[in-house]
Amino acid sequence: KNEVEQSPQNLTAQEGEFITINCSYSVGISALHWLQQHPGGGIVSLFMLSSGKKKHGRLIATINIQEKHSSLHITASHPRDSAVYICAVNSGGYQKVTFGTGTKLQVIP
Amino acid sequence: DVKVTQSSRYLVKRTGEKVFLECVQDMDHENMFWYRQDPGLGLRLIYFSYDVKMKEKGDIPEGYSVSREKKERFSLILESASTNQTSMYLCASSLSGGRVMGETQYFGPGTRLLVL
Repeated sequence: KNEVEQSPQNLTAQEGEFITINCSYSVGISALHWLQQHPGGGIVSLFMLSSGKKKHGRLIATINIQEKHSSLHITASHPRDSAVYICAVNSGGYQKVTFGTGTKLQVIP
Repeated sequence: DVKVTQSSRYLVKRTGEKVFLECVQDMDHENMFWYRQDPGLGLRLIYFSYDVKMKEKGDIPEGYSVSREKKERFSLILESASTNQTSMYLCASSLSGGRVMGETQYFGPGTRLLVL
């Protein structure tokens, strides 16, 4: 079993829909990251969080430390949100980061 | 803005060739990382460096070596390329050289390497 599991693996949504991507982890962590990877490869860090909730524009990330679970929400989705979203956790000390396999999101106009 | 650049976006090499992938960051970051990304496996850490001339093995170092002679530059070397090293290679950097938990990493655009 992977230390970081994401669901769903693939997601297709209509423009304007509310989207939720889930991440569960099995290890103790110091921080959790949500990353976005567009076609072509470049990865951008969206959020880093260790408790509670963070919001940036239409993106919201939440984490429940007790349940070892995080969600990434996208409100009013847009085709430009189409990308792979990756959950990653810091655990085990000294910059060790474990990555999920990603959720591929396609938003259709 | 932090900028991380990689020497090539696409590379085609022959089995047995020595391959150099170079990464440069312009924000005086202490930490630099090399990952490979394969379908269904996510990103896996090959090596990281927390200071000039310092390096530590990641999860999959076999078949790779690294060099960090200058703070801004971190090179990944495939001593003798093999077909199972065909992959996307991503470089990243982060600010602190200390034992800081949970830092944002800044990624380069990636290099798609095909070994024939």
